[in-house]
Amino acid sequence: EVQLVQSGAEVKKPGESLKISCQGSGYRFSTYWIAWVRQMPGKGLEWMGIIYPADSDTRYSPSFEGQVTISADKSTSTAYLQWRSLKASDTGMYYCARGVLSCSGNECYSYNWFDPWGQGTLVTVSS
Amino acid sequence: DVVMTQSPDSLAVSLGERATINCKSSQSLLYTSNNKNYLAWYQQKPGQPPKVLTYWASTRESGVPDRFSGSGSGTDFTLTISSLQAEDVAVYYCQQYYFTPYTFGQGTKLEIK
Repeated sequence: EVQLVQSGAEVKKPGESLKISCQGSGYRFSTYWIAWVRQMPGKGLEWMGIIYPADSDTRYSPSFEGQVTISADKSTSTAYLQWRSLKASDTGMYYCARGVLSCSGNECYSYNWFDPWGQGTLVTVSS
Repeated sequence: DVVMTQSPDSLAVSLGERATINCKSSQSLLYTSNNKNYLAWYQQKPGQPPKVLTYWASTRESGVPDRFSGSGSGTDFTLTISSLQAEDVAVYYCQQYYFTPYTFGQGTKLEIK
C-alpha cells in the first residue's frame, strides 16, 4: 500500500525552529515529486512547494520562498519541511502529498495532481 | 500565479438532487500538445486530508463513485455530483497542475438542504 506518514503534532513558541517529516512507503520514493500544502485553521489549501527526491530539485511558491525550507533524504524515504524562526501566523495543518507518475512503454512523465496525502501535522505557534 | 476562482463559496442541495461547482482559471490549462487540461478536483471531509476525485479535468480516480463527474476545458471547469448523498458533505477544491505554483481554488462547502 502506498502511504505517506507524517510526524506528530507540534507546539512551539514564536522564534523557535521546527522540522516536520513525511515518510513514504510502498513505492519508489525517489522518483515521485512530494509537495507540501498548508491549511490554516478554517481556511483553504495553499501549495507551498515541491521536491523531487532523486536530485532534490525544489520549487517554492513565491508566498513561501525564504520562509521555509523543503528537503528530502532518499535513503530514508523521508521529506521534510523546516522553519528557522516560527511566527504565530505559521499555525496550521501541514500536509505532504505525492505527485503522480504516468508511464507508457519506456517513457514516464510526472504530473502534479496529488495522491496520496499524508495525515497532516498540526503546528501550533503560541507564546 | 494562476488564480483559481470557485463558485459558489457554499452550496446547500437536497439529498438525491444535483450539485454543481464551478472553477475558473486565470490562464488556460489546456496543453495543446497532448490536448489535456491540467485540472484536478479534491474532496476534503472534516478532520481528513483531501482526496482526489478527478484529474485531467474529467478522468475519475479509481474507486470514486460515478455520480462524481468533471467537465470543462481551457479556463472553465465544473464538478457535478449527479445525485447528492449524505456522505458527500465536504469541501471541494479545484487545483491546476500546469504552472508552478500549483494553485488551488478557495474551496466550496457543500451541505445538505
